[in-house]
Amino acid sequence: QSVLTQPPSVSAAPGQKVTISCSGSSSNIGNNYVSWYQQLPGTAPKLLIYDNNKRPSGIPDRFSGSKSGTSATLGITGLQTGDEADYYCGTWDSSLSAGSYVFGTGTKVTVL
Amino acid sequence: QLQLQESGPGLVKPSETLSLTCTVSGGSISSSSYYWGWIRQPPGKGLEWIGSIYYSGSTYYNPSLKSRVTISVDTSKNQFSLKLSSVTAADTAVYYCARHVRYCSGGSCLYARDWFDPWGQGTLVTVSS
Repeated sequence: QSVLTQPPSVSAAPGQKVTISCSGSSSNIGNNYVSWYQQLPGTAPKLLIYDNNKRPSGIPDRFSGSKSGTSATLGITGLQTGDEADYYCGTWDSSLSAGSYVFGTGTKVTVL
Repeated sequence: QLQLQESGPGLVKPSETLSLTCTVSGGSISSSSYYWGWIRQPPGKGLEWIGSIYYSGSTYYNPSLKSRVTISVDTSKNQFSLKLSSVTAADTAVYYCARHVRYCSGGSCLYARDWFDPWGQGTLVTVSS
């Protein structure tokens, strides 16, 4: 069971905006940086956001990330049918001595 | 362009050891600031980090799998490997390898910066007799 909680699903019409929350604690999101991954159907995950809000080269600015306290949020504006995918947050969790990387529970985005 | 490719048996018997190798091309596995990680995804489920290794051999493991996992690196072949022992049906998953970018501040690694990029295409490993 993941220590990072995401809503199972979100949906919106093309062109609209969706936000995906990722809730954690002081041992993970509260004191470490968050990354986000997009997994299109049948493919490997791809990095969307790192360091809470930075986009790798090639990721459109329709995708944005933010963090506040022990929660993080991924925003997608101008929703497109190609954005239908599973999205995961991730961060380091320092609750155990050596630490551990943890992923969120995942959120399925549906374009209506 | 850095690329990673997983290889290994697609079928493993219960109680045996799962062994996979990840070959890195387009860059050196000995680059500083980079770890090399394994992540898995059971069918229809979410992602689970297994562990990561630095080119020097330093490792981090998921505590829930640590007793069964060994990750090793072969810098001469630009490869790193995963061994998972005593497998059961619950270990059936797509296994991904990825470059693990990691920056730490201080010995206790406060404000850790971690992300995985790029990822291999993944390989399905089924545990069944």
